[in-house]
Amino acid sequence: AQSVTQLGSHVSVSEGALVLLRCNYSSSVPPYLFWYVQYPNQGLQLLLKYTSAATLVKGINGFEAEFKKSETSFHLTKPSAHMSDAAEYFCAAQVYQKVTFGIGTKLQVIP
Amino acid sequence: DGGITQSPKYLFRKEGQNVTLSCEQNLNHDAMYWYRQDPGQGLRLIYYSQIVNDFQKGDIAEGYSVSREKKESFPLTVTSAQKNPTAFYLCASSIPGDRDNTDTQYFGPGTRLTVL
Repeated sequence: AQSVTQLGSHVSVSEGALVLLRCNYSSSVPPYLFWYVQYPNQGLQLLLKYTSAATLVKGINGFEAEFKKSETSFHLTKPSAHMSDAAEYFCAAQVYQKVTFGIGTKLQVIP
Repeated sequence: DGGITQSPKYLFRKEGQNVTLSCEQNLNHDAMYWYRQDPGQGLRLIYYSQIVNDFQKGDIAEGYSVSREKKESFPLTVTSAQKNPTAFYLCASSIPGDRDNTDTQYFGPGTRLTVL
């Protein structure tokens, strides 16, 4: 069975600073990987996904993530944080038809 | 305008009462899911359905029931057997094995259930 670990349940960054949200996965076969964002009291929406076509994946709102097989990681980054980026971010892994979500990381952006 | 709707957004019930949460989608997706979200625990799968008239238990199905009589609808009933029903409930849908073989899920806005 696969698992997803998100290091840091809360991350704070200053506006304009680099955003780095960590995600590591464990799986017996190469998974598909996703990042979703959730704003307060709303559903999740897809930021980006890795489908093995390219290891560096660009998503919406200036976010990108790099798949590193050797590190079993899929960290989410954004060069410059904006106040509107404050939200909760979920990493997910799909193996065959099973999707597993991490526990989420809440991003706080400090003005 | 395609999407997933969940109603109501906020729901209050007395302990011991069954309550049904609505989920409707007009995306023509075959698969639908129910998740429960609690602080610090991420999303946990309650039930899922890959096709009409068929559904399977997820990781935390006890105290819940579902039906899938129509492709567009996947209602969730929280029964009195659910020990701690107060939570945020999210419905999602997908096309299993989409063009890129992924199972990208599209989420509704959620229903916050509070049991008093």
